[in-house]
Parts: sequence; C-alpha cells; structure tokens
Amino acid sequence: EVQLVQSGAEVKKPGESLKISCKGSGYSFTSYWIGWVRQMPGKGLEWMGIIYPGDSDTRYSPSFQGQVTISADKSISTAYLQWSSLKASDTAMYYCARWTSLSYEFDPWGQGTLVTVSS
Amino acid sequence: DIQMTQSPSSLSASVGDRVTITCRASQSISSYLNWYQQKPGKAPKLLIYAASSLQSGVPSRFSGSGSGTDFTLTISSLQPEDFATYYCQQSYTGFAFGPGTKVDIK
Repeated sequence: EVQLVQSGAEVKKPGESLKISCKGSGYSFTSYWIGWVRQMPGKGLEWMGIIYPGDSDTRYSPSFQGQVTISADKSISTAYLQWSSLKASDTAMYYCARWTSLSYEFDPWGQGTLVTVSS
Repeated sequence: DIQMTQSPSSLSASVGDRVTITCRASQSISSYLNWYQQKPGKAPKLLIYAASSLQSGVPSRFSGSGSGTDFTLTISSLQPEDFATYYCQQSYTGFAFGPGTKVDIK
C-alpha cells in the first residue's frame, strides 16, 4: 500500500525554527515528486512547493519562495518542510502528497501535520 | 499565474439530488484538472484526474468533464457520505487550487 506518514503536531513560539517530515512507503520514493500544501484554519488549500527526491530538484510557489525550505533524504524515504523563523501566520495544517507525473495529480496524501505558532 | 475559480462557493442539497460544481481557469489548461474531496479534519482525497478520469475506488456517481478553461464535477445522486468540500486543482503550470465548494445538507 502506498502511504505517506507525517510527523506529529507541533506547538512553537514566534521566531523558533521547525522541520516537519513526510515518510513514504510502498513505492519507489525516488521516482515520484512530493508536494507540500498549506491549509490555514477554516481556509482552502494552497500549494507551497514540490521536490523530486531522486535528485532533490525543488520548485516553489512564488507565494512561498524564501519563506520555507523543502528537502528530502532519499536514504530514509522522507521529505521535509522547514522554517527558520516561524510567525503566528504560519499556524496551519500542512499536508504532503505524492505527485504522479504520468497523470498529473496528487495522490495519496499524508494525514497532515498541525503547526501552531503562539507566544 | 493561473487562477482557479469555483462556483458556487457553497450549496445545500438533499440525499438523491444531482449536484454540479463548476471550476474555471484563468487561461487554458487543456485537461490538466483534478478534483478532490475533503471532509472535516481529514486530508483531501483524489476523486477525478485529467478532467474526466475516475480515480480507482471512487464511486461511479462522481464524474468530471471539460477542457480548456471550463470544467464540471457532477455527483449524480448525492449520498450522505458526500457532504464535504470539493476542490479543483490545475497541474498545467504550477498546482493552483480553486477556493472550494462546500456541499451541506438541506
């Protein structure tokens, strides 16, 4: 079974750093892109960026370029999303999802990681 | 950037109703259009890819159509488990999502 399992919920203070993870299993991790999607409380889905773990080729949405860093460690089939200095406005649910370049869709999705940033 | 819009933003319907949701792209995206269903507290789930292809395991009451800039998701007979929010998403350039359509019980 193809599965993406994300790290657990985080509570952080403004200015702190954070790295959340997304571990793939049941498929060749290096052969598919992994995307990250933000969902702020009560709001819609926003694409943040995408990485190809095979060679770490990374693309960012213009809205998130410079705000976050996406990386991957193919040796442990894990993708990451990190912040160097969190803001209260980063409070959201973050999802990872596998992108299929054959038919261009995100499937499956991880269960989500809730990040809360509050002083 | 390609912008996606959806209409309506919300709708109320009854079990058994035929429901249609429209998605429009700001420029032609060919058939690079997907539909997702999201229930409260859950991750999105792929329903339709490439505008009209039904994802494996998704009930046949869901269907998609369209190409270019105008697309439609249809639920032929609404079931209790279909009350959710539906998002369209383009994969032509980048991966922009539509704002969502919430389907609730009348």
